[in-house]
Amino acid sequence: KQEVTQIPAALSVPEGENLVLNCSFTDSAIYNLQWFRQDPGKGLTSLLLIQSSQREQTSGRLNASLDKSSGRSTLYIAASQPGDSATYLCAVINDYKLSFGAGTTVTVRA
Amino acid sequence: SAVISQKPSRDICQRGTSLTIQCQVDSQVTMMFWYRQQPGQSLTLIATANQGSEATYESGFVIDKFPISRPNLTFSTLTVSNMSPEDSSIYLCSVVTTSGSPDTQYFGPGTRLTVL
Repeated sequence: KQEVTQIPAALSVPEGENLVLNCSFTDSAIYNLQWFRQDPGKGLTSLLLIQSSQREQTSGRLNASLDKSSGRSTLYIAASQPGDSATYLCAVINDYKLSFGAGTTVTVRA
Repeated sequence: SAVISQKPSRDICQRGTSLTIQCQVDSQVTMMFWYRQQPGQSLTLIATANQGSEATYESGFVIDKFPISRPNLTFSTLTVSNMSPEDSSIYLCSVVTTSGSPDTQYFGPGTRLTVL
């Protein structure tokens, strides 16, 4: 069974600082990996999808890397803003089924 | 991407009753799924909603408790039956579309269920 771990569980940074969120998984035979953002009481917003053949994906201030051999993915958010405050979830995808980590709750202080 | 709506957005129900949650997508999708997010926890897959046939359930979830229908490519329902307080969760549907970024999975806004 795939186990997905996210470290740290919570993170508080001043505005402008870069964020580094870590995700590890136990079974490297994954199809894709997807990062999501969840705001309190809301659904999930897709941030980035990394296909298993890719090493990284970028969208604006977000960059996600994937190292299947070591079972790790990292989400970088540059120049954080208070609007980035949310819970970030990584999900490992096999056969279109997602296995989620518990998330990292980020607070960006103005 | 896909625009996904869920009804109701939230509900408060009495134990022993049932609630049906609807998921509607604005475009044709290849796959639809239902997830549960219990308070303070991450998401867990309940089942894959198969068009015109019985849903495929994950370990720990059964059809009698969570009957699912998917009559066409853009609509699905999840029923939470004979509810208990332990069923209090956010229920989310997700889809994989035929257009846009391939393989990307999109989620609905969720239905927040409280069982008293």
